[in-house]
Amino acid sequence: KAGVTQTPRYLIKTRGQQVTLSCSPISGHRSVSWYQQTPGQGLQFLFEYFSETQRNKGNFPGRFSGRQFSNSRSEMNVSTLELGDSALYLCASSFQGGTHEQYFGPGTRLTVT
Amino acid sequence: AQSVTQLDSQVPVFEEAPVELRCNYSSSVSVYLFWYVQYPNQGLQLLLKYLSGSTLVKSINGFEAEFNKSQTSFHLRKPSVHISDTAEYFCAVSAQNNDMRFGAGTRLTVKP
Repeated sequence: KAGVTQTPRYLIKTRGQQVTLSCSPISGHRSVSWYQQTPGQGLQFLFEYFSETQRNKGNFPGRFSGRQFSNSRSEMNVSTLELGDSALYLCASSFQGGTHEQYFGPGTRLTVT
Repeated sequence: AQSVTQLDSQVPVFEEAPVELRCNYSSSVSVYLFWYVQYPNQGLQLLLKYLSGSTLVKSINGFEAEFNKSQTSFHLRKPSVHISDTAEYFCAVSAQNNDMRFGAGTRLTVKP
């Protein structure tokens, strides 16, 4: 079974631009969660989608948004990029979320200059 | 909401020595506990999990963790580490609200 895939793997953007990251979950998984990982803040939960609906949301500003499609693929969008948005963005899929273990993708390394 | 505290940010040990990575959690409801490992430039991989039943859970590569409800802990142990165990380890807690929270991580460095 193919694992979680994330595209692109690396991205360089300029302040003020916007970016869209993509995540394809493991086949059959309906829950997709997004995390931001930085050396200073560690792993921070962004949001979780389940069956195309946002089920949980972390404490991030509205510039961070996401969506999930009917095939469970998910996208995350960050508008008006700031230098502090530079991070590794990890996507994780799960059969149902919650008690079910999450399977992580390799991440997208975003650098904002 | 639940939260996780990993008490050590870095743990250096020599090869073949025992190691313990500490994790404490707080929650007002029943929780499910996980340990994930992250190797350089990779995503996180599930190492082991506690959902219910036996409080001692084991991974295939020699790690084990014990759920201690009274001390709200889920420490990770290995009796003899290898160089290849060098990685960052994350403790995570999930409750019925489907919200998984991760600790800050512990960087385990195994020296020859």
